[in-house]
Amino acid sequence: AQKVTQAQTEISVVEKEDVTLDCVYETRDTTYYLFWYKQPPSGELVFLIRRNSFDEQNEISGRYSWNFQKSTSSFNFTITASQVVDSAVYFCALRGAAGNKLTFGGGTRVLVKP
Amino acid sequence: DTGVSQDPRHKITKRGQNVTFRCDPISEHNRLYWYRQTLGQGPEFLTYFQNEAQLEKSRLLSDRFSAERPKGSFSTLEIQRTEQGDSAMYLCASSKTGTHDNNEQFFGPGTRLTVL
Repeated sequence: AQKVTQAQTEISVVEKEDVTLDCVYETRDTTYYLFWYKQPPSGELVFLIRRNSFDEQNEISGRYSWNFQKSTSSFNFTITASQVVDSAVYFCALRGAAGNKLTFGGGTRVLVKP
Repeated sequence: DTGVSQDPRHKITKRGQNVTFRCDPISEHNRLYWYRQTLGQGPEFLTYFQNEAQLEKSRLLSDRFSAERPKGSFSTLEIQRTEQGDSAMYLCASSKTGTHDNNEQFFGPGTRLTVL
């Protein structure tokens, strides 16, 4: 069985502070895919990033960066210099190689105050 | 650029009534997924299609739920004899039949169901 855990339920920061969201996953698959989605107040899930299990290179894209640590089964996400528009619920998700469904974590609500 | 669309966006119904939702995927995507999201939780997988074939169903999909994708394009999700516990956001997503580089799922805006 697959499982995704986001231990932080809510994070509140002041604009321009950095925010790091934690994600820990469990899977027996040797090949798998990890995702981060953003769900703003409007409700639509917006795809942010996909990482493949065989590619542990971390990445920076604008104000977003990801830290994939296979040894600790973690896939953390950082927003640098947060903005009010970053306020949303962020979901980490896992997909196994053989299956097609996404298994989501419970989400972390990020509130960025001006 | 058209994304995934869902109709209706909101549905209020009385317990015991039947409801049907529609999802139109991104045109070149041959996989289509349904998820359910209750308040404060992450989405949970219900079922998925590859073209017109329904290839996987979750245990969450009780006998009162049925999904179809008759021509491999749009899909419908029907809930019969609705119960208050069916109140949730129903999300549709689509993807290509990708392996490593293009298998991400893109979501629609969802249909919020309220059962009174």
